[in-house]
Amino acid sequence: GQNIDQPTEMTATEGAIVQINCTYQTSGFNGLFWYQQHAGEAPTFLSYNVLDGLEEKGRFSSFLSRSKGYSYLLLKELQMKDSASYLCAVRVSGNTPLVFGKGTRLSVIA
Amino acid sequence: DVKVTQSSRYLVKRTGEKVFLECVQDMDHENMFWYRQDPGLGLRLIYFSYDVKMKEKGDIPEGYSVSREKKERFSLILESASTNQTSMYLCASSLAGTGYQPQHFGDGTRLSIL
Repeated sequence: GQNIDQPTEMTATEGAIVQINCTYQTSGFNGLFWYQQHAGEAPTFLSYNVLDGLEEKGRFSSFLSRSKGYSYLLLKELQMKDSASYLCAVRVSGNTPLVFGKGTRLSVIA
Repeated sequence: DVKVTQSSRYLVKRTGEKVFLECVQDMDHENMFWYRQDPGLGLRLIYFSYDVKMKEKGDIPEGYSVSREKKERFSLILESASTNQTSMYLCASSLAGTGYQPQHFGDGTRLSIL
């Protein structure tokens, strides 16, 4: 089977930096996606990694190490509106559906 | 922007009823998906479709069926609703192809079976 692990919950302070980790053990690998989901809303696409290294997009960055089966999402200058669940998802092969982790619920406090 | 529209945000039905959840996307995407999302279990794939008239079972297809008669529309059917099907249902769509093809989600239908 496919296994994707993320911490269940995290808390961080407004203005700080937080790193959300994701480890995966899958039968194949064709890309890793991060989504943000506010309570009661749809998941929205944040970032995509397929090669090792860091992808930066404004306050958000995502890192991938394929040899370690590891990714992280880095959020800088945290704002209250960043309080949400963050979902890590892997495309195992070709045109297959994404396999999702259970998500990390991030609470940003003042 | 991609728009994925689900017909209802909230729905209440009774056990034994046949329930239809509708999803429409406006970006000519080949792929469409149905997930359910439950606390502590995350997103689980029910069914997906790569093209009109095609369907594939996901991880938890039992008790569900789907229909894709037109490219833009993908329907999820609960043949005889049961209380354990109370959940948030999310539809998604994506372009076909490998690599960078993110799935785009609708706002979800929160379904309660009484």
